[in-house]
Amino acid sequence: AQSVTQPDIHITVSEGASLELRCNYSYGATPYLFWYVQSPGQGLQLLLKYFSGDTLVQGIKGFEAEFKRSQSSFNLRKPSVHWSDAAEYFCAVVSGGGSYIPTFGRGTSLIVHP
Amino acid sequence: EAGVTQFPSHSVIEKGQTVTLRCDPISGHDNLYWYRRVMGKEIKFLLHFVKESKQDESGMPNNRFLAERTGGTYSTLKVQPAELEDSGVYFCASSQVSEHNEQFFGPGTRLTVL
Repeated sequence: AQSVTQPDIHITVSEGASLELRCNYSYGATPYLFWYVQSPGQGLQLLLKYFSGDTLVQGIKGFEAEFKRSQSSFNLRKPSVHWSDAAEYFCAVVSGGGSYIPTFGRGTSLIVHP
Repeated sequence: EAGVTQFPSHSVIEKGQTVTLRCDPISGHDNLYWYRRVMGKEIKFLLHFVKESKQDESGMPNNRFLAERTGGTYSTLKVQPAELEDSGVYFCASSQVSEHNEQFFGPGTRLTVL
């Protein structure tokens, strides 16, 4: 069965600092990978996704993620964090094959200090 | 275009009572999904509708949970009778029928069972 690990429950960064949120997955074939963000009172918003092709994917709000097959990772990065990025971030994997039901990680809560 | 909406945003009930959650998907989306997140844990899949039919209900915890989608539009999720462990945030998502099935999530309903 597929699984997703987000090892950091909370991350605290200063505004303007760089950010990397870790995500590791367990799945036999090449998965479809997603990062979602949930701001307070909002639904999950898709930041970016990887299906195939270029392993560095660009998303909205200045985020990017890199798929590394050898490490089974799909870490999310942003070069300069803004206070409005404070939210909870979820990594998800979909196995494809017609099901398309995502398996989510536990989420990482990002705190941004001014 | 309106996104996925959920009602109510919060619900506090006592153990043994009944609660009904509602989800209105994006217009034209045949796929509708219910998920649940228990405090601090992963977002877990509950079930999937295609139009009015249940495609996959493998994630439903037990027979106290009943989901319906009459007419293939909005969906309800009823919990009867509610137990303490049912507390959490219930998310709804919808998608079009497509190869990669990008899902759009609602803001969730926070259910607290006392």
